[in-house]
Amino acid sequence: QQQVKQSPQSLIVQKGGISIINCAYENTAFDYFPWYQQFPGKGPALLIAIRPDVSEKKEGRFTISFNKSAKQFSLHIMDSQPGDSATYFCAATISGGSYIPTFGRGTSLIVHP
Amino acid sequence: DGGITQSPKYLFRKEGQNVTLSCEQNLNHDAMYWYRQDPGQGLRLIYYSQIVNDFQKGDIAEGYSVSREKKESFPLTVTSAQKNPTAFYLCASSLAGDRPVEQFFGPGTRLTVL
Repeated sequence: QQQVKQSPQSLIVQKGGISIINCAYENTAFDYFPWYQQFPGKGPALLIAIRPDVSEKKEGRFTISFNKSAKQFSLHIMDSQPGDSATYFCAATISGGSYIPTFGRGTSLIVHP
Repeated sequence: DGGITQSPKYLFRKEGQNVTLSCEQNLNHDAMYWYRQDPGQGLRLIYYSQIVNDFQKGDIAEGYSVSREKKESFPLTVTSAQKNPTAFYLCASSLAGDRPVEQFFGPGTRLTVL
């Protein structure tokens, strides 16, 4: 059973456009939602994370929007650049447990110049 | 320069052979993890360890084994019982505690079965 569903699987945008990646979860016990960015041949790295007590978190061109009632959260990349081309993973974690994140299946983003 | 190292970067295995993937960290992290990455499958947890000399199975532990004799090291052995071992393997580490923390990933090892 996939606990965190991520879409789309792949995304192509033009330079300067907005990239949007969506994730949905079922387990209401999740209370920490990180996003990881992975470049080809490299390991993932934490990009940005949010807790459900806020609806939005912004860091530079990257914004997480969180909808607790819908159990959905999304990553928005504003003014997308070719250097943003990577695979993005959303994840969810439960406090009080082992804190091991449950990952979505990833979105491959290509930004055309 | 702190971080996680994995070796080798590329590994080729003949069917029926066991192979061991190395993972070392100098971040002084208590917790370490092994993930398997396949295209379109995301990151699947193989094993994790939150303290030396202790480890737990993840979602896809069959055909794999680990040890945690030192805080800095968490090697993964892919045994001949693993039916489809060709994949990208990622090691990660994190602080242990009572709150979610960032996982730091190594650069990965790409294993190919010939």
